[in-house]
Amino acid sequence: EDQVTQSPEALRLQEGESSSLNCSYTVSGLRGLFWYRQDPGKGPEFLFTLYSAGEEKEKERLKATLTKKESFLHITAPKPEDSATYLCAVQVGGNEKLTFGTGTRLTIIP
Amino acid sequence: GAGVSQSPSNKVTEKGKDVELRCDPISGHTALYWYRQRLGQGLEFLIYFQGNSAPDKSGLPSDRFSAERTGESVSTLTIQRTQQEDSAVYLCASSLRAAGKKLFFGSGTQLSVL
Repeated sequence: EDQVTQSPEALRLQEGESSSLNCSYTVSGLRGLFWYRQDPGKGPEFLFTLYSAGEEKEKERLKATLTKKESFLHITAPKPEDSATYLCAVQVGGNEKLTFGTGTRLTIIP
Repeated sequence: GAGVSQSPSNKVTEKGKDVELRCDPISGHTALYWYRQRLGQGLEFLIYFQGNSAPDKSGLPSDRFSAERTGESVSTLTIQRTQQEDSAVYLCASSLRAAGKKLFFGSGTQLSVL
């Protein structure tokens, strides 16, 4: 069975304190790994898609990387507005669905 | 519309009643998904529609759950004889077929079964 595990469950950082969120996966035939951001009371918002090991994507203070077993979401010099739950998801084989992890709840303290 | 629209935003119902949730996808998006998000849990896939193809119903948890979509427009998710464990946020998402699974989500329907 495909599994996606995110860690830590929650992370509190001071403004400007860089860190990384982890998404490890056990799947057969990865087609893509996706990062989404979810604010309270809202649906997830797309951030990145990664397709192959070694690939990296960047957007403002966020950078996503991918290996054969895991993905990292690096947050550089975060601001309070980066506070949200970050979700990782995978698409496998011939399936059209995405399988999501339970997320990391990130809080940036001013 | 500008984004995916879901209604109602909140629904409180009594155990045993039927409920119908509605999703208006982004115009031109051929793919539509329903997910369920229970408190403290990840998004759980329910059903996927792609154009006029047969839907992927593999995530529906029981025969009390059903969904329909007319062409490439509105979708409805129906839950019959609701149970307390059906309480969750029901999220709808749409995407372009070739968009690399860049899903656009609505804000969801918070369903509470008393």
